[in-house]
Amino acid sequence: RKEVEQDPGPFNVPEGATVAFNCTYSNSASQSFFWYRQDCRKEPKLLMSVYSSGNEDGRFTAQLNRASQYISLLIRDSKLSDSATYLCVVNSYSSASKIIFGSGTRLSIRP
Amino acid sequence: GAGVSQSPSNKVTEKGKDVELRCDPISGHTALYWYRQSLGQGLEFLIYFQGNSAPDKSGLPSDRFSAERTGGSVSTLTIQRTQQEDSAVYLCASSLSGQPTDTQYFGPGTRLTVL
Repeated sequence: RKEVEQDPGPFNVPEGATVAFNCTYSNSASQSFFWYRQDCRKEPKLLMSVYSSGNEDGRFTAQLNRASQYISLLIRDSKLSDSATYLCVVNSYSSASKIIFGSGTRLSIRP
Repeated sequence: GAGVSQSPSNKVTEKGKDVELRCDPISGHTALYWYRQSLGQGLEFLIYFQGNSAPDKSGLPSDRFSAERTGGSVSTLTIQRTQQEDSAVYLCASSLSGQPTDTQYFGPGTRLTVL
């Protein structure tokens, strides 16, 4: 089983829709969590950190469920510009090698 | 300000040749990471430098891979006797202090193709 697993998608949704995807992790000692966004043939960029209490940044909401060991990303009122691959990142604090990137979920927003 | 830069942006080489990939981190960032991303895959950790500490080399896939960081700034990833399976995008990232909560800032990557 992979340490961090994501549904690869693609998720294909119409503009304006709400879309959500999850990321599961296997290491219960994991301590910090992030969502990065990666556009086609570009480098990853931080979208948002995920806090224990959940956090929101505009149309984006991230949640952490420690009991079930998953994090989620919700995108409301999706825009064409949201089309990208979303990478889940999990860090167990023990070493740099324990910063684990998921393989990503591809999201495509159609007009 | 200037972000992370990498060179070359693309490198095509023949099997068996050595290649050097360069990363210039953000000025003042003490932590530097190298990752490899194969087509359609996630990022694979390779090596981590933090200040003057010994690097974490646990992700290097074979002894053909090595990296150094001179003066706590520029880093070079060297792949000796390249193989076709080395073809990937090599990404470098830096963060302010290597704390687990730090944001990693990525360079644009070097796309390596081994023929």
